[in-house]
Amino acid sequence: KAGVTQTPRYLIKTRGQQVTLSCSPISGHRSVSWYQQTPGQGLQFLFEYFSETQRNKGNFPGRFSGRQFSNSRSEMNVSTLELGDSALYLCASSLTGTTEAFFGQGTRLTVV
Amino acid sequence: DAKTTQPTSMDCAEGRAANLPCNHSTISGNEYVYWYRQIHSQGPQYIIHGLKNNETNEMASLIITEDRKSSTLILPHATLRDTAVYYCIVRVAAGSSNTGKLIFGQGTTLQVKP
Repeated sequence: KAGVTQTPRYLIKTRGQQVTLSCSPISGHRSVSWYQQTPGQGLQFLFEYFSETQRNKGNFPGRFSGRQFSNSRSEMNVSTLELGDSALYLCASSLTGTTEAFFGQGTRLTVV
Repeated sequence: DAKTTQPTSMDCAEGRAANLPCNHSTISGNEYVYWYRQIHSQGPQYIIHGLKNNETNEMASLIITEDRKSSTLILPHATLRDTAVYYCIVRVAAGSSNTGKLIFGQGTTLQVKP
């Protein structure tokens, strides 16, 4: 069974640009969650989608958004990038959102 | 905020058992204890979870105290590849407004030494 796949693995963007990250969950998993990891703040929850609906949202500005498609694949978008958005972005999938979650390898975003 | 407290770092000799403690004194009856680990710059890896009974799988054992206020993750024969940050997380079961959300603390950095 294939694991969680995140693309791209690495990304360099300029301040003010926008970026879209993609996450393909494990087959059959309907819940996808996104996390941001920085050295200063650790792993922080961004949002969770289940059956194309956002069920939960963390404490991030509106520049951070996401969506989920009917095949459970998810994207997250960050608009008007700031230097502080440089981070490892991780997605995790689980069957329902209350069972064990499995993480992808992450997308390393660098904003210059 | 994370509902768990873990030591910042621990060392373990290769081949010996690594016992990682976690305190979760405010855990509710419908909350599970989950353990994940993260090897440098990779995505966190699920290890094990439990509600109130001890659990064992191919990776580790989880011992939860009877009052559920603390737990211990045991790696029976630690190897150098077990060097990682280990996160203990309290997670709600179905029906909560926090479904799909894992709250990570700072974790325990386990260093396995030859």
